[in-house]
Amino acid sequence: QSALTQPASVSGSPGQSIAISCTGTSSDVGGYNHVSWYQQHPGKAPKLMIYDVSNRPSGVSNRFSGSKSGNTASLTISGLQAEDEADYYCSSYRGSTTLVLFGGGTKLTVL
Amino acid sequence: QVQLVESGGGVVQPGGSLRLSCAASGITFISYAMHWVRQAPGKGLEWVAFIRNDGSNKYYADSVKGRFTISRDNSINTLYLHMTSLTTEDTAVYYCAKVGWANSWYTHFDYWGQGSLVTVSS
Repeated sequence: QSALTQPASVSGSPGQSIAISCTGTSSDVGGYNHVSWYQQHPGKAPKLMIYDVSNRPSGVSNRFSGSKSGNTASLTISGLQAEDEADYYCSSYRGSTTLVLFGGGTKLTVL
Repeated sequence: QVQLVESGGGVVQPGGSLRLSCAASGITFISYAMHWVRQAPGKGLEWVAFIRNDGSNKYYADSVKGRFTISRDNSINTLYLHMTSLTTEDTAVYYCAKVGWANSWYTHFDYWGQGSLVTVSS
């Protein structure tokens, strides 16, 4: 089962906006609205940031937003802050016995 | 508050076995499917296994199929992962993760355990 495709790294200055893409297929990202995004700081467990494409859990800053077009989902972080520097993973439901796919991860550097 | 606490990790020789546990609290455990996800050192997240809330369905990643067994004991709110025929490629931090919606198989993971390190080495 192939992973979803994410850029290996992105960077931005404080206050700027960045977007991270996540490309799959019509069998996963494009076929279901169950795309989620996770933030992971070094040595820590992943934290849910976006679920069902564009929904934010309680407590997650509204600087984080999600969208999807066709087989590609995106996470946008506006007003970058130093604490946003982390690894970000997308995930999608896949309608088969391989229920869950993850992207390879994107390292966000805040310059 | 919701807590998922893993235990059972450690160092094991190639070909050996290990059982991980994940104790859940703060949730109606029997209402939620559970998964295991792992992360090899310096690598990304990899989905490992799924078990339905009542234990009636189980799915595995191809990389562990036939070697790993997921199970749960809803009477004590605990999830398990029994790992056999371990290889060095199984070295990773193993996380248990709770699905976000009751009675769904997967849409997202809203809570994760702290992780349990499994090192396969001679």
